[in-house]
Amino acid sequence: EAQVTQNPRYLITVTGKKLTVTCSQNMNHEYMSWYRQDPGLGLRQIYYSMNVEVTDKGDVPEGYKVSRKEKRNFPLILESPSPNQTSLYFCASSGTAYSPLHFGNGTRLTVT
Amino acid sequence: AQRVTQPEKLLSVFKGAPVELKCNYSYSGSPELFWYVQYSRQRLQLLLRHISRESIKGFTADLNKGETSFHLKKPFAQEEDSAMYYCALSGQETSGSRLTFGEGTQLTVNP
Repeated sequence: EAQVTQNPRYLITVTGKKLTVTCSQNMNHEYMSWYRQDPGLGLRQIYYSMNVEVTDKGDVPEGYKVSRKEKRNFPLILESPSPNQTSLYFCASSGTAYSPLHFGNGTRLTVT
Repeated sequence: AQRVTQPEKLLSVFKGAPVELKCNYSYSGSPELFWYVQYSRQRLQLLLRHISRESIKGFTADLNKGETSFHLKKPFAQEEDSAMYYCALSGQETSGSRLTFGEGTQLTVNP
């Protein structure tokens, strides 16, 4: 089944403890992206990747890192999480940036 | 820079009434526009895109370049249409194409 898989679904952590949210897609998509969803602010793009080893900042990249060493994986790294990064995170992929996005189920992160 | 604005955060209508979710965009080039929907406890999914000019679940959206709008419409709302709706724009920037979402509109269809 074609899908985008994020892990974990839920994560509670403390300020400053490094964490990684994984994202994997099995559709051979070139384009992958991370979003955070906050009430009243909608979906805001954190980082995106046009292809392997090609990543770029979205609208709210501060405090996040990504890597794209393989086509299928696009992990989101929080080196030193802070409470303002408490949010619902979505990974998405598509064949190109102009193609419809396929979304993962989301990761609800709480930083205390 | 590209930008998408959805002026209504909340929209409530009664079953059978017409519904229109507004979307305005700012982009200097020729945009690709989408509507995405998120039903309760489900992942975001594509509802429709302007280039396909199709009607999905009774919804339509017309791109108005003069008014830079892409409003989503349905003549008779159903309770199962209750969801969060996001308008999105895909445009070309110097670093490549990217997709920008609006703030979202929470639609509630009351019985």
